[in-house]
Amino acid sequence: EPEVTQTPSHQVTQMGQEVILRCVPISNHLYFYWYRQILGQKVEFLVSFYNNEISEKSEIFDDQFSVERPDGSNFTLKIRSTKLEDSAMYFCAGKILAASSYEQYFGPGTRLTVT
Amino acid sequence: RKEVEQDPGPFNVPEGATVAFNCTYSNSASQSFFWYRQDCRKEPKLLMSVYSSGNEDGRFTAQLNRASQYISLLIRDSKLSDSATYLCAVSSGTYKYIFGTGTRLKVLA
Repeated sequence: EPEVTQTPSHQVTQMGQEVILRCVPISNHLYFYWYRQILGQKVEFLVSFYNNEISEKSEIFDDQFSVERPDGSNFTLKIRSTKLEDSAMYFCAGKILAASSYEQYFGPGTRLTVT
Repeated sequence: RKEVEQDPGPFNVPEGATVAFNCTYSNSASQSFFWYRQDCRKEPKLLMSVYSSGNEDGRFTAQLNRASQYISLLIRDSKLSDSATYLCAVSSGTYKYIFGTGTRLKVLA
């Protein structure tokens, strides 16, 4: 069964540094999402991406964040200048194209620790 | 009122028990509803979608009550392996999910 994969599994970075989190979605998924989960809190939507552009973003997704799908397979989340409060699990998710299907499948996540 | 609310628990139940969780949502335009299971520090895994007619998958039954704006999950014959956090997710026409905080279940031997 195909799965969403994410790399790295754990990233430690210093405040102010840039990080890039990578996701390889399932091949027939055409909608992509990033969510984050701060330890002990709920999973929060960051951004959705379809047809090579952002379709929706939350208020968390400020100018420090960007997403792209540079090569048609990888889907990346970049944080330009990390803050301590960016420490969280970041999950990538995907959904197939069919309008009647809303089910999203999540990758294993990247644990980001900002020191 | 929070967009999606769940009782955080924990629900401690003996093996073999039946346990039920509810999840309320505030947006009456919500269209799709899901239950996910999340183990500690792992990703949410889709347990089941929740349809208007209700649906059942083995020991798990999900129901939707649009009038009262809640969904429910019933687990029969609880197993030790059912211990996890159960997340409710609600989606509107934009497809993004709004998650609840999750309900923690501990099944005791």
